[in-house]
Amino acid sequence: GAGVSQSPSNKVTEKGKDVELRCDPISGHTALYWYRQSLGQGLEFLIYFQGNSAPDKSGLPSDRFSAERTGGSVSTLTIQRTQQEDSAVYLCASSVPFLSYTFGSGTRLTVV
Amino acid sequence: GESVGLHLPTLSVQEGDNSIINCAYSNSASDYFIWYKQESGKGPQFIIDIRSNMDKRQGQRVTVLLNKTVKHLSLQIAATQPGDSAVYFCAENGSGNTGKLIFGQGTTLQVKP
Repeated sequence: GAGVSQSPSNKVTEKGKDVELRCDPISGHTALYWYRQSLGQGLEFLIYFQGNSAPDKSGLPSDRFSAERTGGSVSTLTIQRTQQEDSAVYLCASSVPFLSYTFGSGTRLTVV
Repeated sequence: GESVGLHLPTLSVQEGDNSIINCAYSNSASDYFIWYKQESGKGPQFIIDIRSNMDKRQGQRVTVLLNKTVKHLSLQIAATQPGDSAVYFCAENGSGNTGKLIFGQGTTLQVKP
């Protein structure tokens, strides 16, 4: 597509529930990234996929967070047993390796 | 550890004036730097980038300056407009040639009419 697409744009969930966030990168972009942005804060790196290489999971805050990328394209970020501190905007970006990212508009997650 | 920081959290300028947003980076191995603009409710958007073999690069109304000696990056916006109001992030590629960017905390630019 023309840009990075994320869905849903907003998600409200109850504490303890699992959520899945989806990212559709730009066609041909082999690198895909997930970041988290809390209100008024900077960008916190979560996970990075590059081609067929093992993903860089060094930013995942706990084992409740996981992500996968199927067929080198669409990615899903899963948060299990959500907590209130998980409330944030989750941003996905894609790129041709070693060049600038193109970000999606993000998914605003609210855990109540 | 690696970090990219911004000198001021908020910058307020008058419409029509020039804006300068500063960024300090700590990793001397970084050789690629980018400025992003994030408007409220949107994802960050690419503004301009620069590689370490350059010290200045110009775009439309924007200029990025890189001073490798003091590890300083700045974004200059000419004739600032209300539509420039946003949070601006600098980013560097760090060491290890991973393709992963390290982002600063952001500077909020407020343009007064």
